[in-house]
Amino acid sequence: QKEVEQDPGPLSVPEGAIVSLNCTYSNSAFQYFMWYRQYSRKGPELLMYTYSSGNKEDGRFTAQVDKSSKYISLFIRDSQPSDSATYLCAMSVQGAQKLVFGQGTRLTINP
Amino acid sequence: GAVVSQHPSWVICKSGTSVKIECRSLDFQATTMFWYRQFPKQSLMLMATSNEGSKATYEQGVEKDKFLINHASLTLSTLTVTSAHPEDSSFYICSARDDARAFTGELFFGEGSRLTVL
Repeated sequence: QKEVEQDPGPLSVPEGAIVSLNCTYSNSAFQYFMWYRQYSRKGPELLMYTYSSGNKEDGRFTAQVDKSSKYISLFIRDSQPSDSATYLCAMSVQGAQKLVFGQGTRLTINP
Repeated sequence: GAVVSQHPSWVICKSGTSVKIECRSLDFQATTMFWYRQFPKQSLMLMATSNEGSKATYEQGVEKDKFLINHASLTLSTLTVTSAHPEDSSFYICSARDDARAFTGELFFGEGSRLTVL
């Protein structure tokens, strides 16, 4: 079993839809949770960062962490074609050096 | 802030030659940088952890004599692919951890370097 599981998709939705992306994990020691967005042939870009459980909102993006279920989510409201990218979840243990990444979900927003 | 510059973004070389890729943190200090490899439609594979002033730590299965890493300063790490072969063709991405926010685990990535070995 992988430490972080993420459905690779692909996921295709119409413009304006609400998108839900998810990851599950097995290591209860993870404390820091991140979402990265990666456009084709580019490096990942940090999108959202959350510590421990709870919600965080930034514009059209909302990140949720449920540590009791070992489940994190990223919601995109009013999705735009420019949101089409691969979204990677990542997490780390406090003080640890390495980030553990999910496989990434390929998302396409259709105009 | 938190910009990581990676160069070159694209390189083609002949089999048997060596290629150097640079990774620079432009507006922060990074004692620790990471080098990843990414195959098409796959996630990031950590190759090695680069620490300023000390030897890099390589992940299992990564040949340290093949992928030479030098972290000469708090803002620069280099990856040299030695005696490159076609199977080394890939997308290489570096990332850096801001020393001022190291406890958070956040990583900032370069734009990546696409290596094609003929």
